[in-house]
This record gives sequence, structure tokens and C-alpha cells, in this order.
Amino acid sequence: ETGVTQTPRHLVMGMTNKKSLKCEQHLGHNAMYWYKQSAKKPLELMFVYNFKEQTENNSVPSRFSPECPNSSHLFLHLHTLQPEDSALYLCASSHLRGGYNEQFFGPGTRLTVL
Amino acid sequence: GNSVTQMEGPVTLSEEAFLTINCTYTATGYPSLFWYVQYPGEGLQLLLKATKADDKGSNKGFEATYRKETTSFHLEKGSVQVSDSAVYFCALTVSGNTGKLIFGQGTTLQVKP
Repeated sequence: ETGVTQTPRHLVMGMTNKKSLKCEQHLGHNAMYWYKQSAKKPLELMFVYNFKEQTENNSVPSRFSPECPNSSHLFLHLHTLQPEDSALYLCASSHLRGGYNEQFFGPGTRLTVL
Repeated sequence: GNSVTQMEGPVTLSEEAFLTINCTYTATGYPSLFWYVQYPGEGLQLLLKATKADDKGSNKGFEATYRKETTSFHLEKGSVQVSDSAVYFCALTVSGNTGKLIFGQGTTLQVKP
């Protein structure tokens, strides 16, 4: 049990659909992250939230819209995606203190865009 | 800038063989270093960490030593098992940033019985 849960675990959607990914952390952390993991590519950081405030947006297309209502929950709203957006989306959380940042990951949502 | 470079995989070993996965980094400031492991179908799990030079991180028989002089953090295990088959990621974080972890590209390890 990592303390970070993600739902759904698998999602198949068409390019015109709207869906949301959910992440919840039970670790009392103050920072949450979305990553994209595509086949044969390095992990890509998408967004960082610190105390519910977005502190990093790594040039992510606007068809990905994050939402962080509190320090325990993080959403990724998806609309009009492209097939190349198919990937594993990983959520992580950490307790930011100084420079030490051990991140705990959820199991991921495997997204397929048709 | 900050970056992490790992040896390219896949690495294929027989059970009980010795494992080394090389990792080198460039960083401004004083990074903390991590190894994460991703088993098939799962998210990443922290395997071990080191926060300052000459620290040795260890867990589950894996070890890595933070070498500032060679900017390296190589992962080693004396005797691998089939259950160690996974993707291994080296990563760093630097003090003062927004919490960003910089990952290497990952190295796939396959252990055969």
C-alpha cells in the first residue's frame, strides 16, 4: 500500500469524450504531481501543486486541465484528446521540506485514446 | 542544467548474477539522489535514496553510493532474482526547486531463471 490511490486504473476514451482522472493521497503530504509515462520515453512531469497552488506547468496542452481542491486530492480533466496522449498517467505526492523530496507514486491510470 | 543519464537497457541477467546499473548526473547545487523501481503494471516505488555525498542507500539487497567526485549513483545488487525484473529509474532533486524530480530514462532489467 503506497498511500496514493488512482482511479480509474484503465480508461478507454474517444477523441471527443470528456473524462477525469482522480488521485488521492493518504500520507498528509502538501505537494502533488501528475506525470505522463509513454512507451520508450522518459517520465514527463506535467503539473506540480504545492498547498493546492499550481507551481509548475510543464508546457502541457490545454486539453489537459488539472484541479487540486485540497492537499489530498488531485484531478486531471481530459477533453478532446489525441491518440498520442495514450499513456500511463502517474500521480505522486510528497512532503516538500528543504531540498529533500521523496515522492510516493500511485499505480497509475492506463489511458487509451481511440 | 540538471539531468540524469542511465545506461541503456534492456539488461538481461541469469538468476544470482551480479547487477550494476550505471547512473550519472549533472546538477546545480547539492542534489539528493534516488533509485525508483517500477514492476510490470504498477507505479513507481522508491527503492533507495542518498541525500549527501558518500552516503550509501540500501534496500532489499540493492545498494548505491553517492559519489560527488564522479557525479555517479550506480545501482548494484550482488545476486539478482527473477522477482527483481522491473524498470529502474535514477532520479535527483535539487534544493530550492519546486519539488521537481529529474528522472533518467529508465533501465529495464530482465532476470532469467
